[in-house]
Amino acid sequence: KAGVTQTPRYLIKTRGQQVTLSCSPISGHRSVSWYQQTPGQGLQFLFEYFSETQRNKGNFPGRFSGRQFSNSRSEMNVSTLELGDSALYLCASSARQGQTPLANTEAFFGQGTRLTVV
Amino acid sequence: AQSVTQLGSHVSVSEGALVLLRCNYSSSVPPYLFWYVQYPNQGLQLLLKYTTGATLVKGINGFEAEFKKSETSFHLTKPSAHMSDAAEYFCAVRMDTGRRALTFGSGTRLQVQP
Repeated sequence: KAGVTQTPRYLIKTRGQQVTLSCSPISGHRSVSWYQQTPGQGLQFLFEYFSETQRNKGNFPGRFSGRQFSNSRSEMNVSTLELGDSALYLCASSARQGQTPLANTEAFFGQGTRLTVV
Repeated sequence: AQSVTQLGSHVSVSEGALVLLRCNYSSSVPPYLFWYVQYPNQGLQLLLKYTTGATLVKGINGFEAEFKKSETSFHLTKPSAHMSDAAEYFCAVRMDTGRRALTFGSGTRLQVQP
């Protein structure tokens, strides 16, 4: 079974630009979560999508957004990039039943997209 | 809100020595607990998880962790360190109510000396 695939692996963008990152979850997984990892703040939850709807959201500004498609693939978008947005962005997929995530199931992570804002 | 504390941002051990990485959580009810490992420029890989049942959990690569409710701890151990264990380790919790997102500790970088 293929794992979680994130593209691209590396990105360099200029301050003020916008960027879109892509995540394909494990086949059969319908929940996709996004996390930001920085040396200063560590791993922080951005949002979770399930059945094309955002179910949970972390404490990030509105410049950070996402969506999920009918095939469960997800994209996240960051507009008006700032230097502080430089980070490793990780996507994770989990099994979910109905409207409730299986909290005791693990999240499977992709290799991440390393975004550098210059 | 739950939180996770990992004591020691850096731990150094000799090859063959015991590995002990500490994790304490704070929440009003016992959460679900996870340990992840991250190698350089990689994503997170699950080592083990505690949900319910046996408090001693065995994971991959010889790691195990014990859930101690009275101490709100979930420390990770390995009897004998190997050079390939050098990586960063993250403890995480997830609740069965509310947001249900993973809350991570700040991580512990394990160095294994030859």
